[in-house]
Amino acid sequence: EPEVTQTPSHQVTQMGQEVILRCVPISNHLYFYWYRQILGQKVEFLVSFYNNEISEKSEIFDDQFSVERPDGSNFTLKIRSTKLEDSAMYFCASDRGSKNIQYFGAGTRLSVL
Amino acid sequence: KNQVEQSPQSLIILEGKNCTLQCNYTVSPFSNLRWYKQDTGRGPVSLTIMTFSENTKSNGRYTATLDADTKQSSLHITASQLSDSASYICVVKGGATNKLIFGTGTLLAVQP
Repeated sequence: EPEVTQTPSHQVTQMGQEVILRCVPISNHLYFYWYRQILGQKVEFLVSFYNNEISEKSEIFDDQFSVERPDGSNFTLKIRSTKLEDSAMYFCASDRGSKNIQYFGAGTRLSVL
Repeated sequence: KNQVEQSPQSLIILEGKNCTLQCNYTVSPFSNLRWYKQDTGRGPVSLTIMTFSENTKSNGRYTATLDADTKQSSLHITASQLSDSASYICVVKGGATNKLIFGTGTLLAVQP
């Protein structure tokens, strides 16, 4: 079964540092997403990406965040200057459209010290 | 405000028993409702997707129901197994921006 893969599984960084979280969506999917889940809380939408541009973003997705699809397979989330409150599980997801199943990766646990 | 509420917050059942999880939402306009299973430390896995016109949908031992009039959904798990222990998340796609709105989940523990 096709799957969304995310690397690394765990990222530890110092406050103020830049991090890049990487995702390889399912190959024939067109829509890509990032979500985050702070420990013990619900999953929150960050951003959706279609046709090489952001189609929607939440209020969480401020100027510290950016996304990119640098090639035909990778989809990245960059946090420019990490804060303690950025510590969370970050999930990448992809699907073929709004009425289709959205597949999630296993997540990257980001720990900001 | 667009919200998704789930109950109970947590549930413990014995292996082999059935259980039903509840979801109430206030999302409008409504596009579809999804149930996900999330194992600890893993990403959510889709169980069912239901649109406005669908009242029930099954996926193996999982059966979801939807009442669009009362804005309620339930997930029924039949003959529970130890591997069913996970968080079950109700997610509604809708609202003015038609995005996914997540519930806080029901944490299910199946004991032998």
